[in-house]
Amino acid sequence: DVKVTQSSRYLVKRTGEKVFLECVQDMDHENMFWYRQDPGLGLRLIYFSYDVKMKEKGDIPEGYSVSREKKERFSLILESASTNQTSMYLCASSSQPGAGELFFGEGSRLTVL
Amino acid sequence: AQSVTQLDSQVPVFEEAPVELRCNYSSSVSVYLFWYVQYPNQGLQLLLKYLSGSTLVKGINGFEAEFNKSQTSFHLRKPSVHISDTAEYFCAVSEGDKIIFGKGTRLHILP
Repeated sequence: DVKVTQSSRYLVKRTGEKVFLECVQDMDHENMFWYRQDPGLGLRLIYFSYDVKMKEKGDIPEGYSVSREKKERFSLILESASTNQTSMYLCASSSQPGAGELFFGEGSRLTVL
Repeated sequence: AQSVTQLDSQVPVFEEAPVELRCNYSSSVSVYLFWYVQYPNQGLQLLLKYLSGSTLVKGINGFEAEFNKSQTSFHLRKPSVHISDTAEYFCAVSEGDKIIFGKGTRLHILP
């Protein structure tokens, strides 16, 4: 069964802390994505990567960075967490950007106090 | 830039009744279109997609959608809903390598 695994389902952090959200996929997909999901706003793309060590900004990259050292792993980093980054974060992967199915993880719910 | 408008944030419907969830997108150029579903406390999964060909697309769980290029719409339909269809539904459109999502429609099934 194909799988995208996000390491933490729930996290609580304090303002100013550095936060790492990890995502691993087992489908050998080239393309990986980080979205944030907020009520009434849907999903908004933060960053995506179409190859190891490659990254592209999405629509809301401010306050975030990413790392893709290995094909199967895509990490989202909040350098200094703020309360407005409290959200659900969804990782996804795809074999074909733009046309292929996105496979999602179950999400990481981050609360920043 | 592409945008996706889901006209209804919530849709209540009685069990076994038909339902239509509306979606409009902004661009008239060739696009790929998708519907995803999110069940409570889960990630999203693909219901169906339109890449080319027949404008009527059939998906999983009895859902179908019709691509209408002139109206830039891609409405989702099901002839008879079940309590298990309670979920949030997202329409999405391609923009280059990215997928742009709408704000979602919550489907409430009434007994």
